[in-house]
Amino acid sequence: QTVVTQEPSLSVSPGGTVTLTCDLSSGSVSVGYYPTWYQQTPGQAPRTLIQNTNTRSSGVPDRFSGSIVGNKAALTITGAQADDEGDYYCVLYMGSGISVFGGGTKLTV
Amino acid sequence: EVQVVESGGGLVRPGGSLRLSCAASGFIVTSNYITWVRQAPGKGLEWVSVIYRGGNTYYADSVKGRFTLSRDISKNTVYLQMNSLRPEDTAVYYCATHYPPVDWGQGTLVTVSS
Repeated sequence: QTVVTQEPSLSVSPGGTVTLTCDLSSGSVSVGYYPTWYQQTPGQAPRTLIQNTNTRSSGVPDRFSGSIVGNKAALTITGAQADDEGDYYCVLYMGSGISVFGGGTKLTV
Repeated sequence: EVQVVESGGGLVRPGGSLRLSCAASGFIVTSNYITWVRQAPGKGLEWVSVIYRGGNTYYADSVKGRFTLSRDISKNTVYLQMNSLRPEDTAVYYCATHYPPVDWGQGTLVTVSS
């Protein structure tokens, strides 16, 4: 069974930069997995930040960026703000109609 | 504006059934993917199923054979029929447009308990 792994928790100082990663148990993440990133705050539905590796969703500040770093998908927050605190999830498309979410990263600012 | 709204959640006994609805506005359901994702209390997101524009459906192994997706074009709504429900199906169920999901609804809570 394919497992998608994220850092369980990370912290960043206000104004700092942090990179969250999304790893695959069975190989390297590439653009063909259409990595997508979400932010979720308590009691709220997920909010889509980055689609298809590096496309920011409408209204998402440009301090959020997506990329492939080494063999992982990455979400970088540059100039972190207090309201960036929350849970972050990635999802990878595995093919044949199947997707798998990572376990999520709890980000503290 | 593209929007989806879930409904139909509630309390159901183990082994029971429930049908969730995902009503779409701002687009026609046959023109887009509709994805279902769930989140158990205090847990992460779990992909559940998706219906493609052409009508093909796909399911996570955890729900395959128990959950079924369908859509009613006249109501512009997608339905998730959930049978043989188990306590571990307890979660907030979200529907969303696109695949991977992009525009999310606010979710509907399903509780499976005796």
